[in-house]
Amino acid sequence: AQRVTQPEKLLSVFKGAPVELKCNYSYSGSPELFWYVQYSRQRLQLLLRHISRESIKGFTADLNKGETSFHLKKPFAQEEDSAMYYCALSRGYGQNFVFGPGTRLSVLP
Amino acid sequence: DAGVTQSPTHLIKTRGQQVTLRCSPKSGHDTVSWYQQALGQGPQFIFQYYEEEERQRGNFPDRFSGHQFPNYSSELNVNALLLGDSALYLCASSYRTGTDTQYFGPGTRLTVL
Repeated sequence: AQRVTQPEKLLSVFKGAPVELKCNYSYSGSPELFWYVQYSRQRLQLLLRHISRESIKGFTADLNKGETSFHLKKPFAQEEDSAMYYCALSRGYGQNFVFGPGTRLSVLP
Repeated sequence: DAGVTQSPTHLIKTRGQQVTLRCSPKSGHDTVSWYQQALGQGPQFIFQYYEEEERQRGNFPDRFSGHQFPNYSSELNVNALLLGDSALYLCASSYRTGTDTQYFGPGTRLTVL
């Protein structure tokens, strides 16, 4: 069975500090990994997906199959990055998502 | 394009009642997935509809059922409501033959008393 874990429920950093939101997964096949973000009073929206290897809003994430991790990183946090972040796994095209429990990022001024 | 829309926004029911939630997908999307998000947890997959048929199902009892209409909109029905069914119900749409990125609606907050 697929499973996604996010060990931190809450992560607080100061503005300008580096951020790393951890995500680990368990799945025997080749998963597709995603990060979704939910800003206050907004709907869940895609932040990035590993297959596109892009940087969105300064965030990057690298899939490490050996460590089964997909950590989200940003070198310099901004106050507008404060939000709930969810890591999600899909078994492949058209397959349902398995979400982690989420990490609330709070960027302090 | 309003994106994915859901109705109603909030709903209060009592135990044993039945409820129907509605979802309209993003324009151009033909696949609808439903998720349950309990307080403090990530969304949990309920089921997915494509071509008016249930294609995938998560670990939810038969009290949870759905339907997809020819215009791709969808309904989620929950019978014999339990207190534990109180949650935010999210609808997500995607285009099956394209990227599997899912676009989420704002959700329906269901409270069971």
